[in-house]
Amino acid sequence: DQQVKQNSPSLSVQEGRISILNCDYTNSMFDYFLWYKKYPAEGPTFLISISSIKDKNEDGRFTVFLNKSAKHLSLHIVPSQPGDSAVYFCAASRSGGSNYKLTFGKGTLLTVNP
Amino acid sequence: KAGVTQTPRYLIKTRGQQVTLSCSPISGHRSVSWYQQTPGQGLQFLFEYFSETQRNKGNFPGRFSGRQFSNSRSEMNVSTLELGDSALYLCASSSGHSATNEKLFFGSGTQLSVL
Repeated sequence: DQQVKQNSPSLSVQEGRISILNCDYTNSMFDYFLWYKKYPAEGPTFLISISSIKDKNEDGRFTVFLNKSAKHLSLHIVPSQPGDSAVYFCAASRSGGSNYKLTFGKGTLLTVNP
Repeated sequence: KAGVTQTPRYLIKTRGQQVTLSCSPISGHRSVSWYQQTPGQGLQFLFEYFSETQRNKGNFPGRFSGRQFSNSRSEMNVSTLELGDSALYLCASSSGHSATNEKLFFGSGTQLSVL
C-alpha cells in the first residue's frame, strides 16, 4: 500500500522554465511533508519542508504547495537550472508517531536541459 | 563538521550469506535510521535507533536487524541473504531530541549486490 505516491517517474524541462513535481498521499494522519533531492551515488539531501498548518513554503527558487483537502503537494522550481537534474523524493511523517520514520514516494527523475 | 559516513560503499555477497553494514552519524546526533532503496519500491524504512535502543521498526522480516553503540554508531545486519535484498542501504542521522519534526541527514549508502 503506497501511502505516498509520485505518479510521474520522470520529468524533462528546459533551463530557465518552471519545474513542477507532484506528490499525493493517502494517509490523513500525515502532517509534515518534505522534499529530498538525490544525485547518483550520493545520499538524499533535504530540500524543503512544509507543515500541515501551512499551504505554502518558499525557499529561494523552491516553493512547496500543500493542498490538504486533495491530499496533494507540489514542488515548484523557478527558474530550473541544469544542476537541478536529480531524483526528487517526496516524504511524509506524522506527529505522535515517529518523527524519524519518513514514508517516501518512489521519486521523480528531473532532467533540466540546457 | 563531518557528515554521515557509511561503510563499505559496495558489497557483493551470495545467497545465504550474512552481511553487516556500518554507519557513523554526524557528531552529536543520537538518532540513526536505516532505509532500503530499490528501483521498484523507493526508500523504505527499516528501523531507527536512539541512545542504543530501537525506537521504531518498519515492516521487514527478522533477518534484518540492527544495533547502536554508546558512541551512536550503528550497524545493521542481514542474515540468510536473498536475491531480493540487493539494494542501496541508506543510513540517516538526526539529533533525536526534538519533539517536533526534524530533517534527516543521509549518508551516501552501501550498495549491496546479492548473487
